[in-house]
Amino acid sequence: KQEVTQIPAALSVPEGENLVLNCSFTDSAIYNLQWFRQDPGKGLTSLLLIQSSQREQTSGRLNASLDKSSGRSTLYIAASQPGDSATYLCAVAGSNYQLIWGAGTKLIIKP
Amino acid sequence: DAGVTQSPTHLIKTRGQQVTLRCSPKSGHDTVSWYQQALGQGPQFIFQYYEEEERQRGNFPDRFSGHQFPNYSSELNVNALLLGDSALYLCASSPDRGSYNEQFFGPGTRLTVL
Repeated sequence: KQEVTQIPAALSVPEGENLVLNCSFTDSAIYNLQWFRQDPGKGLTSLLLIQSSQREQTSGRLNASLDKSSGRSTLYIAASQPGDSATYLCAVAGSNYQLIWGAGTKLIIKP
Repeated sequence: DAGVTQSPTHLIKTRGQQVTLRCSPKSGHDTVSWYQQALGQGPQFIFQYYEEEERQRGNFPDRFSGHQFPNYSSELNVNALLLGDSALYLCASSPDRGSYNEQFFGPGTRLTVL
């Protein structure tokens, strides 16, 4: 049974810092991994999707990596801004059409 | 393109009542998935609909049922509501093209059961 864990559960850093969020999964047989952002009380915004054959994806100040063999993904945020404050969730997709989610990392960027 | 839309935005019900939530998928998408997100947790998969049939189901009781219409829109029905059903209900759509595809999410429906 696939399990997804995100560490840390919460993170508070000063504006301008580079930071890394972690996601680990127990079953390496995945189709892809997605990173999402969720603002308080809101829905989900897809940030990056990494297919199982890929090692990383980049969008602006965001870079996500995937290491299937070790069951790990990282989301790197460069030059953090207060507007980056949100909860970041990762989800893995397997062959049964389901997305399996971590509980998220709540990120606070202090001005 | 309006993206994935859901209605209503918020809903308040009492225990024992029944509720219907609605979802319209992104243009060009034929697959709809429903998720339940309790406060402070990641979403949990409820079920997925494709070609008007339930293709896969998560670990949810039969009180949770759904439907997909010929235009690919979908409904989630919950009977005999419990306090624990209070959550954000998210709908996601994707195209079905063989291998798994990226899911796009709607804004969610916030259900409160009193």
